[in-house]
Amino acid sequence: DTGVSQDPRHKITKRGQNVTFRCDPISEHNRLYWYRQTLGQGPEFLTYFQNEAQLEKSRLLSDRFSAERPKGSFSTLEIQRTEQGDSAMYLCASSSSDLGTYEQYFGPGTRLTVT
Amino acid sequence: GENVEQHPSTLSVQEGDSAVIKCTYSDSASNYFPWYKQELGKRPQLIIDIRSNVGEKKDQRIAVTLNKTAKHFSLHITETQPEDSAVYFCAASRSGGSYIPTFGRGTSLIVHP
Repeated sequence: DTGVSQDPRHKITKRGQNVTFRCDPISEHNRLYWYRQTLGQGPEFLTYFQNEAQLEKSRLLSDRFSAERPKGSFSTLEIQRTEQGDSAMYLCASSSSDLGTYEQYFGPGTRLTVT
Repeated sequence: GENVEQHPSTLSVQEGDSAVIKCTYSDSASNYFPWYKQELGKRPQLIIDIRSNVGEKKDQRIAVTLNKTAKHFSLHITETQPEDSAVYFCAASRSGGSYIPTFGRGTSLIVHP
């Protein structure tokens, strides 16, 4: 499968612990997005990278959340001091600014459960 | 910021019937409107999109219409099949720059055989 991949697929953690998720986008895609999705809701934007530069962050994004894309390839999303309200599906998506299309390709997501 | 409202939240139809899902948006500068299908336990996938310079776009059994004046757009699925059962999300964004879509809350479509 040459699509977007995410690891892990599931994560259960205790409140207060730190967690880190990884996203590997489609190799030629220079844009990478992180979203959060809760039951009954559409994906909610968290942050966006173009190559290695983090160009936008949601105003709703707590300072406990940080994301990196060090070499413009894979990205990590870290949540520090997790809270029960952080329980959600975290989706990564990638796209290319070079193809004249805005289509985003989503990964399978990481389901986080904070107990 | 952009706000996207989507209706209905659940839609139940018989196989062969048509299904229509409607969305409204608030930002008059939005000019790109994709629709995503998310099957249970799977990732969202783009099924059709429309840009503001077009009023309608069709792809086999799926069509999308856009009314920029009223700021609403709709997804039409004809001759529905059980495999169309999924959650459908509309989204709106400004093209160019970072292109960050704002999604609706989704419509759960159930097609009964």
